[in-house]
Amino acid sequence: GIQVEQSPPDLILQEGANSTLRCNFSDSVNNLQWFHQNPWGQLINLFYIPSGTKQNGRLSATTVATERYSLLYISSSQTTDSGVYFCAVVISNFGNEKLTFGTGTRLTIIP
Amino acid sequence: DAGITQSPRHKVTETGTPVTLRCHQTENHRYMYWYRQDPGHGLRLIHYSYGVKDTDKGEVSDGYSVSRSKTEDFLLTLESATSSQTSVYFCAISELGGRESSGANVLTFGAGSRLTVL
Repeated sequence: GIQVEQSPPDLILQEGANSTLRCNFSDSVNNLQWFHQNPWGQLINLFYIPSGTKQNGRLSATTVATERYSLLYISSSQTTDSGVYFCAVVISNFGNEKLTFGTGTRLTIIP
Repeated sequence: DAGITQSPRHKVTETGTPVTLRCHQTENHRYMYWYRQDPGHGLRLIHYSYGVKDTDKGEVSDGYSVSRSKTEDFLLTLESATSSQTSVYFCAISELGGRESSGANVLTFGAGSRLTVL
């Protein structure tokens, strides 16, 4: 089946530090999204990025589709960045609409 | 919650009772999804809908049924709840399906419904 692996599973950083979260996937994708789940449980879409690089303020994401991975960069971390980050993919050849989620990276930013 | 409302937000019930969770959207999006979230598993798709009366199974559909009689409502039913169905349930919507190479397939999530089956 579809494999979506995220690393690291947990990350604890001081406020102001930078971080890189990784998402590996097992097959070609035509849809990849990054989400942030805040400590109150709300899930927010960060990026739609099946390939290339995008930036939104202190966050940026890069997907290298040929090598089957995506990276989420967070610069100058703030306590509000804490939570769980998920990547989710749709595999190109499966012919379906379903996003499959990784198990997430839990990020804790310490003041 | 960007036009998505889930109800109830919290429910405690007993094993063997039926439970229905409702997802209501005001965005007129074609696609609606039900996910469950459990520790160590991330989010897993239960069922999804690609139009009125058009539904399909996800990876954890056993024990669940869905219905979509109107564009705006997607119901998830547990016919006879079990303790293994204790979870947080999220509804999501998208304008286009996941295969479309377009930002219009971005998922927007509801606030979640926490279900406890005793």
